[in-house]
Amino acid sequence: NAGVTQTPKFRVLKTGQSMTLLCAQDMNHEYMYWYRQDPGMGLRLIHYSVGEGTTAKGEVPDGYNVSRLKKQNFLLGLESAAPSQTSVYFCASSYALAGGAEQFFGPGTRLTVL
Amino acid sequence: AQSVTQPDIHITVSEGASLELRCNYSYGATPYLFWYVQSPGQGLQLLLKYFSGDTLVQGIKGFEAEFKRSQSSFNLRKPSVHWSDAAEYFCAVGARGFQKLVFGTGTRLLVSP
Repeated sequence: NAGVTQTPKFRVLKTGQSMTLLCAQDMNHEYMYWYRQDPGMGLRLIHYSVGEGTTAKGEVPDGYNVSRLKKQNFLLGLESAAPSQTSVYFCASSYALAGGAEQFFGPGTRLTVL
Repeated sequence: AQSVTQPDIHITVSEGASLELRCNYSYGATPYLFWYVQSPGQGLQLLLKYFSGDTLVQGIKGFEAEFKRSQSSFNLRKPSVHWSDAAEYFCAVGARGFQKLVFGTGTRLLVSP
């Protein structure tokens, strides 16, 4: 089992460009999450999904969109990248609601927006 | 609303010495508490969790944590630190039926020879 994988590992964008981050999990988890990690701020939830075809906003959703067309995949999109979106992005999945279950994390995507 | 405070941004411990990382939470009911570890360049890995029952919880890699309701704390401990324990440690709070976890800002552990 690969667990949670993220593509790409690194990316540099110019302001205004768009991109999609892909998260895939092979554990048949219902719940998936996108976080961003910034120095001194811990992990902040961007969007999450409680099942295929569903998405919901987290703590910092502005500037991002998500889709969960297949149970195993959760995509995070940046339509018009801004320097404030320079961060490390983590995807996670869990078998139950995050408040009461272990989350399994991917290795992260380091994004720089110039 | 739930919140988590990790008061120490950095901690340096000598190899072989004991370790305690502090975590204080705010939540009105019984919380679910977690400790995660993040090695450099890696994602987060669960060390241990507390849902109910025995307030002293054992985790992987020789770590343990104690839930103290009266102090709203869930401190992480290890009796003898190894150089490979150098990492960032995150405390998180959730609850039954909650869709989200709230993470602390993390404590970076440095291990000196």
